[in-house]
Amino acid sequence: QKEVEQNSGPLSVPEGAIASLNCTYSDRGSQSFFWYRQYSGKSPELIMFIYSNGDKEDGRFTAQLNKASQYVSLLIRDSQPSDSATYLCAVKGMDSSYKLIFGSGTRLLVRP
Amino acid sequence: ETGVTQTPRHLVMGMTNKKSLKCEQHLGHNAMYWYKQSAKKPLELMFVYNFKEQTENNSVPSRFSPECPNSSHLFLHLHTLQPEDSALYLCASSPRGSGSVAETQYFGPGTRLLVL
Repeated sequence: QKEVEQNSGPLSVPEGAIASLNCTYSDRGSQSFFWYRQYSGKSPELIMFIYSNGDKEDGRFTAQLNKASQYVSLLIRDSQPSDSATYLCAVKGMDSSYKLIFGSGTRLLVRP
Repeated sequence: ETGVTQTPRHLVMGMTNKKSLKCEQHLGHNAMYWYKQSAKKPLELMFVYNFKEQTENNSVPSRFSPECPNSSHLFLHLHTLQPEDSALYLCASSPRGSGSVAETQYFGPGTRLLVL
Protein backbone atom coordinates (compact mmCIF):
# COMPACT_ATOMS: atom_id res chain seq x y z
CA GLN A 1 0.00 0.00 0.00
CA LYS A 2 1.34 3.39 -1.01
CA GLU A 3 1.86 5.75 1.90
CA VAL A 4 0.61 8.83 0.07
CA GLU A 5 -1.73 8.39 -2.87
CA GLN A 6 -2.76 10.84 -5.53
CA ASN A 7 -4.61 10.39 -8.79
CA SER A 8 -2.02 10.95 -11.51
CA GLY A 9 -4.50 12.72 -13.79
CA PRO A 10 -4.44 14.71 -15.88
CA LEU A 11 -7.25 16.65 -14.28
CA SER A 12 -8.60 18.99 -16.92
CA VAL A 13 -10.67 22.03 -15.96
CA PRO A 14 -11.73 25.13 -17.92
CA GLU A 15 -10.29 28.50 -17.07
CA GLY A 16 -12.15 30.12 -14.20
CA ALA A 17 -13.39 26.83 -12.73
CA ILE A 18 -12.51 25.32 -9.35
CA ALA A 19 -9.87 22.60 -9.50
CA SER A 20 -10.04 20.01 -6.74
CA LEU A 21 -6.97 17.91 -6.03
CA ASN A 22 -7.11 15.05 -3.56
CA CYS A 23 -4.59 13.10 -1.54
CA THR A 24 -4.99 10.18 0.88
CA TYR A 25 -2.41 8.91 3.32
CA SER A 26 -1.95 5.71 5.26
CA ASP A 27 -0.21 6.83 8.47
CA ARG A 28 -2.99 7.82 10.84
CA GLY A 29 -0.48 9.59 13.06
CA SER A 30 0.65 12.00 10.35
CA GLN A 31 1.10 15.49 11.68
CA SER A 32 1.21 17.97 8.84
CA PHE A 33 0.48 18.11 5.17
CA PHE A 34 2.06 20.11 2.39
CA TRP A 35 1.09 20.99 -1.15
CA TYR A 36 3.82 21.70 -3.66
CA ARG A 37 3.43 22.82 -7.28
CA GLN A 38 5.91 21.59 -9.85
CA TYR A 39 6.05 22.96 -13.35
CA SER A 40 7.49 20.70 -16.02
CA GLY A 41 11.26 20.63 -15.77
CA LYS A 42 11.28 22.72 -12.60
CA SER A 43 11.62 22.01 -8.91
CA PRO A 44 8.74 21.76 -6.41
CA GLU A 45 7.50 25.06 -5.03
CA LEU A 46 5.60 25.20 -1.74
CA ILE A 47 2.01 26.42 -2.04
CA MET A 48 0.78 25.89 1.49
CA PHE A 49 0.65 23.54 4.43
CA ILE A 50 -2.01 22.52 6.91
CA TYR A 51 -1.95 20.64 10.19
CA SER A 52 -5.36 21.25 11.80
CA ASN A 53 -8.62 19.69 10.69
CA GLY A 54 -10.72 21.96 8.54
CA ASP A 55 -9.95 24.52 5.89
CA LYS A 56 -7.05 26.88 5.42
CA GLU A 57 -7.27 29.58 2.79
CA ASP A 58 -4.49 31.50 1.07
CA GLY A 59 -5.58 33.62 -1.85
CA ARG A 60 -7.11 31.39 -4.53
CA PHE A 61 -5.92 28.25 -2.74
CA THR A 62 -7.75 26.36 0.01
CA ALA A 63 -6.35 23.31 1.73
CA GLN A 64 -8.80 20.98 3.45
CA LEU A 65 -7.79 18.37 6.00
CA ASN A 66 -9.85 15.51 7.37
CA LYS A 67 -7.69 13.40 9.68
CA ALA A 68 -10.49 10.96 10.52
CA SER A 69 -10.82 10.06 6.85
CA GLN A 70 -7.10 10.49 6.21
CA TYR A 71 -7.39 12.79 3.27
CA VAL A 72 -6.23 16.24 2.38
CA SER A 73 -7.31 18.25 -0.61
CA LEU A 74 -6.33 21.41 -2.42
CA LEU A 75 -8.91 23.63 -4.07
CA ILE A 76 -7.85 26.19 -6.64
CA ARG A 77 -10.49 28.82 -7.33
CA ASP A 78 -10.67 30.79 -10.56
CA SER A 79 -8.18 28.43 -12.20
CA GLN A 80 -5.79 30.01 -14.67
CA PRO A 81 -3.77 28.39 -17.47
CA SER A 82 -0.68 29.32 -15.44
CA ASP A 83 -1.90 26.91 -12.75
CA SER A 84 -1.27 24.02 -15.15
CA ALA A 85 1.37 21.95 -13.36
CA THR A 86 1.83 18.82 -11.28
CA TYR A 87 0.69 19.17 -7.68
CA LEU A 88 2.55 17.13 -5.09
CA CYS A 89 1.07 16.18 -1.76
CA ALA A 90 3.59 15.58 1.04
CA VAL A 91 2.94 14.23 4.49
CA LYS A 92 5.01 14.53 7.64
CA GLY A 93 4.58 11.50 9.85
CA MET A 94 4.98 10.90 13.53
CA ASP A 95 7.92 8.53 13.13
CA SER A 96 10.32 11.22 12.03
CA SER A 97 10.67 14.84 12.92
CA TYR A 98 11.61 16.02 9.45
CA LYS A 99 10.83 13.34 6.88
CA LEU A 100 8.31 14.17 4.18
CA ILE A 101 6.59 11.39 2.27
CA PHE A 102 5.55 12.51 -1.20
CA GLY A 103 2.80 11.30 -3.45
CA SER A 104 3.43 10.86 -7.17
CA GLY A 105 1.53 14.03 -7.96
CA THR A 106 -1.57 15.02 -9.91
CA ARG A 107 -1.15 16.76 -13.23
CA LEU A 108 -3.55 19.68 -13.62
CA LEU A 109 -4.42 21.14 -17.01
CA VAL A 110 -6.37 24.38 -17.13
CA ARG A 111 -7.88 24.93 -20.57
CA PRO A 112 -8.12 28.56 -21.81
CA GLU B 1 21.93 34.84 -4.60
CA THR B 2 18.95 33.82 -2.54
CA GLY B 3 17.22 30.56 -1.73
CA VAL B 4 18.67 27.20 -2.64
CA THR B 5 21.03 26.91 -5.60
CA GLN B 6 22.34 23.81 -7.33
CA THR B 7 25.13 23.25 -9.82
CA PRO B 8 25.42 21.99 -12.42
CA ARG B 9 21.87 22.22 -13.73
CA HIS B 10 22.49 19.51 -16.31
CA LEU B 11 25.04 16.70 -16.28
CA VAL B 12 25.81 13.89 -18.71
CA MET B 13 28.25 11.29 -17.53
CA GLY B 14 29.49 7.86 -18.46
CA MET B 15 29.29 4.93 -16.11
CA THR B 16 32.98 5.13 -15.29
CA ASN B 17 33.06 8.86 -14.56
CA LYS B 18 33.25 10.58 -11.20
CA LYS B 19 31.33 13.78 -10.75
CA SER B 20 29.90 15.87 -7.93
CA LEU B 21 26.67 17.79 -7.48
CA LYS B 22 26.72 20.92 -5.37
CA CYS B 23 23.97 22.54 -3.35
CA GLU B 24 24.14 25.80 -1.47
CA GLN B 25 21.44 27.40 0.64
CA HIS B 26 21.31 31.08 1.56
CA LEU B 27 18.38 30.80 3.97
CA GLY B 28 20.26 30.25 7.22
CA HIS B 29 18.79 26.77 7.51
CA ASN B 30 20.36 23.94 9.45
CA ALA B 31 18.95 20.89 7.69
CA MET B 32 19.68 19.86 4.11
CA TYR B 33 18.33 17.02 2.00
CA TRP B 34 19.03 15.14 -1.22
CA TYR B 35 16.09 13.74 -3.17
CA LYS B 36 15.88 11.74 -6.37
CA GLN B 37 12.97 12.28 -8.73
CA SER B 38 12.45 9.76 -11.52
CA ALA B 39 9.72 9.96 -14.12
CA LYS B 40 6.25 9.10 -12.78
CA LYS B 41 7.62 8.17 -9.34
CA PRO B 42 7.35 10.02 -6.04
CA LEU B 43 10.28 12.00 -4.77
CA GLU B 44 12.64 9.64 -2.99
CA LEU B 45 14.52 10.94 0.03
CA MET B 46 18.16 9.91 -0.20
CA PHE B 47 20.08 11.67 2.58
CA VAL B 48 19.44 14.12 5.38
CA TYR B 49 21.94 16.29 7.20
CA ASN B 50 21.03 18.17 10.34
CA PHE B 51 23.61 20.60 11.73
CA LYS B 52 26.19 18.95 9.41
CA GLU B 53 25.51 15.48 10.82
CA GLN B 54 24.01 12.81 8.59
CA THR B 55 20.76 11.70 10.16
CA GLU B 56 19.27 9.65 7.35
CA ASN B 57 20.59 7.34 4.67
CA ASN B 58 17.58 5.90 2.94
CA SER B 59 19.24 2.66 1.75
CA VAL B 60 21.08 4.52 -0.99
CA PRO B 61 23.72 2.57 -2.98
CA SER B 62 27.30 3.39 -2.09
CA ARG B 63 27.94 4.81 -5.55
CA PHE B 64 26.24 7.93 -4.13
CA SER B 65 28.31 9.60 -1.44
CA PRO B 66 27.10 12.75 0.33
CA GLU B 67 29.23 15.36 2.01
CA CYS B 68 28.15 18.27 4.18
CA PRO B 69 31.10 20.49 5.17
CA ASN B 70 28.86 23.10 6.80
CA SER B 71 25.18 23.93 7.18
CA SER B 72 25.12 25.93 3.96
CA HIS B 73 26.72 23.45 1.57
CA LEU B 74 25.86 19.94 0.53
CA PHE B 75 27.53 17.76 -2.06
CA LEU B 76 26.61 14.51 -3.72
CA HIS B 77 29.60 12.64 -5.09
CA LEU B 78 28.83 10.24 -7.92
CA HIS B 79 30.92 7.33 -9.18
CA THR B 80 30.30 4.28 -11.35
CA LEU B 81 26.66 5.16 -11.81
CA GLN B 82 24.18 3.08 -13.77
CA PRO B 83 21.79 4.26 -16.50
CA GLU B 84 18.87 3.77 -14.09
CA ASP B 85 20.38 6.49 -11.91
CA SER B 86 19.39 9.03 -14.55
CA ALA B 87 16.93 11.38 -12.84
CA LEU B 88 16.42 14.85 -11.44
CA TYR B 89 18.39 15.28 -8.23
CA LEU B 90 16.91 17.84 -5.92
CA CYS B 91 18.42 19.50 -2.92
CA ALA B 92 16.23 20.98 -0.21
CA SER B 93 16.74 22.75 3.08
CA SER B 94 14.64 23.46 6.14
CA PRO B 95 15.19 25.65 9.19
CA ARG B 96 15.99 23.14 11.87
CA GLY B 97 15.09 19.59 10.86
CA SER B 98 13.00 19.67 14.01
CA GLY B 99 9.67 18.21 14.98
CA SER B 100 7.77 21.40 14.31
CA VAL B 101 4.61 20.63 12.35
CA ALA B 102 5.09 23.81 10.37
CA GLU B 103 8.70 23.18 9.36
CA THR B 104 8.86 23.42 5.61
CA GLN B 105 11.39 22.23 3.07
CA TYR B 106 12.47 24.52 0.25
CA PHE B 107 13.84 23.06 -2.93
CA GLY B 108 16.63 24.05 -5.26
CA PRO B 109 16.21 23.98 -9.05
CA GLY B 110 17.68 20.48 -9.36
CA THR B 111 20.36 18.81 -11.45
CA ARG B 112 19.13 16.83 -14.43
CA LEU B 113 21.49 13.83 -14.62
CA LEU B 114 21.85 11.51 -17.59
CA VAL B 115 24.04 8.44 -17.25
CA LEU B 116 25.11 6.86 -20.51
